[in-house]
Amino acid sequence: NAGVTQTPKFRILKIGQSMTLQCTQDMNHNYMYWYRQDPGMGLKLIYYSVGAGITDKGEVPNGYNVSRSTTEDFPLRLELAAPSQTSVYFCASSQPIAGGDEQYFGPGTRLTVT
Amino acid sequence: KQEVTQIPAALSVPEGENLVLNCSFTDSAIYNLQWFRQDPGKGLTSLLLIQSSQREQTSGRLNASLDKSSGRSTLYIAASQPGDSATYLCAVRFGNEKLTFGTGTRLTIIP
Repeated sequence: NAGVTQTPKFRILKIGQSMTLQCTQDMNHNYMYWYRQDPGMGLKLIYYSVGAGITDKGEVPNGYNVSRSTTEDFPLRLELAAPSQTSVYFCASSQPIAGGDEQYFGPGTRLTVT
Repeated sequence: KQEVTQIPAALSVPEGENLVLNCSFTDSAIYNLQWFRQDPGKGLTSLLLIQSSQREQTSGRLNASLDKSSGRSTLYIAASQPGDSATYLCAVRFGNEKLTFGTGTRLTIIP
């Protein structure tokens, strides 16, 4: 299993540009998540999905959109990039079980907006 | 507000020593707690998951404990090695909500 994969690894965007961060998992997990990690801060949840066709906002959803058309894929869309969106973005997945699920993370996408 | 705190932010320890990393949280009604390791420029690797009904979990040289009443968890690393150098993150699921992460402890093992 490849686990959780993310592309691209790095990206530089100009203010106002758009892009999609890709995330794919091959573990047949129902739950998927997008986080951002800023220097010296904990990870913040942007959006999450509990299954294909279902998405919900996390703690910091403004400026982002997601879709979940398949179990495997959970892309994150930035429509009008702003410098405040410079961060490292992590995708994660998990499978709910009794007592709580264990999250598995991708390697991250480092995004710079200038 | 439900918060997760990890102190200290950085820790340096000579190779071979045993060490303890700390995690505290503000609400005892947790669902589970997960410890992660993050290497520079990399993603997070799950180390241990403790359910709310458990007191500890062990994996190799790692032992994580959970004390809900005091709002604390510790990650014990035995016989530390240079390869243990990384940032260790604690994340708590409060109730059945999403994970809340601490800011991590950056561990350096000195050869």
